[in-house]
Amino acid sequence: GAGVSQTPSNKVTEKGKYVELRCDPISGHTALYWYRQSLGQGPEFLIYFQGTGAADDSGLPNDRFFAVRPEGSVSTLKIQRTERGDSAVYLCASSLGTANTGELFFGEGSRLTVL
Amino acid sequence: KQEVTQIPAALSVPEGENLVLNCSFTDSAIYNLQWFRQDPGKGLTSLLLIQSSQREQTSGRLNASLDKSSGRSTLYIAASQPGDSATYLCAVIGADYKLSFGAGTTVTVRA
Repeated sequence: GAGVSQTPSNKVTEKGKYVELRCDPISGHTALYWYRQSLGQGPEFLIYFQGTGAADDSGLPNDRFFAVRPEGSVSTLKIQRTERGDSAVYLCASSLGTANTGELFFGEGSRLTVL
Repeated sequence: KQEVTQIPAALSVPEGENLVLNCSFTDSAIYNLQWFRQDPGKGLTSLLLIQSSQREQTSGRLNASLDKSSGRSTLYIAASQPGDSATYLCAVIGADYKLSFGAGTTVTVRA
């Protein structure tokens, strides 16, 4: 596609529910990142994929968070037993080749609100 | 752990003035530095990417400099316009492939 696409753009859920957020990167981009941004702060790293594998998942806050990228393209961030503190904007970014040299392109984000 | 700081946190200027946004980082072993713009409720738009071997990059009215040894970058926006009002974020990538962000500078350009 022309840019990084994220769905849904907004998600309101109740505490304890399961949520999936989807990211469709720019075609051909092998590096994919998930970030989380709280109001008034810069984005915080969650997980980095190179191809199908999670090269670094050290930013995932706990085991309720999980992400997959089974075919090396679309990625899904999964959050189990959501808590109010999970409310944030979840941003996805992709890059051509290795991310340490290439420019990162971000999607519009998925705004998650946990009531 | 890389720490990125942006000063000031907010800036308000009249239209036509030049803007100077500062970014500092604690670990100088970076691969590149990227400046982003973020409008309210939107994602991040890449403005400029500076590789670690470069000292500056220019795009239109924007110029970004990088002094890797001192851990600093500056974004200059010439002849500011109301449409430049947004939050500007600085981010660095190190050997761990993680993009570390500052908290941003929120700019308001008054017409």
